[in-house]
Amino acid sequence: DVKVTQSSRYLVKRTGEKVFLECVQDMDHENMFWYRQDPGLGLRLIYFSYDVKMKEKGDIPEGYSVSREKKERFSLILESASTNQTSMYLCASSLGNGIQPQHFGDGTRLSIL
Amino acid sequence: SQQGEEDPQALSIQEGENATMNCSYKTSINNLQWYRQNSGRGLVHLILIRSNEREKHSGRLRVTLDTSKKSSSLLITASRAADTASYFCARIHTGANNLFFGTGTRLTVIP
Repeated sequence: DVKVTQSSRYLVKRTGEKVFLECVQDMDHENMFWYRQDPGLGLRLIYFSYDVKMKEKGDIPEGYSVSREKKERFSLILESASTNQTSMYLCASSLGNGIQPQHFGDGTRLSIL
Repeated sequence: SQQGEEDPQALSIQEGENATMNCSYKTSINNLQWYRQNSGRGLVHLILIRSNEREKHSGRLRVTLDTSKKSSSLLITASRAADTASYFCARIHTGANNLFFGTGTRLTVIP
């Protein structure tokens, strides 16, 4: 089975801090994705990557950046955390051209105080 | 917005009953996928239906797709308490490579 592992289940940070969320997948998937999930808004795509060192903006990239130095690892960076970035963050991976099903990690619930 | 609508937002049924959730969207799609999310966990892929398919089955799940009405439905037959979760439809729009998720239906199955 595909395993997508997010480094933290719960994280509490302060406004203005630089925050790193890490995601690792073990199935050699080309595609990796970062979403945030908020009540009533569903999942919204922040950034995605189709290959090492490649990144594309999703629907809500403002305030975020990403890094994909190795195929199995996709990091989400909050450059200067703000309270409106308090959310559940979900990482996913998939094979091929994006049409394939996505496999999700269990999420990181991030609170910015 | 390229997100669609899911209906109902919440559904509560007795164990053994069938549950039907609907998903509508606005632009043409390549395929549509349904996912399930247990409380506090990530999403799990359930079923994928391509734009040229009308119906698909997987165990107690039945998905239909009507591209003329831009809608899909997920039917869970003989529901169990363990089916309690949120269910999301997600679409690959024609010409796009990303999934667009709806806001989900929260299903509660009462034992």
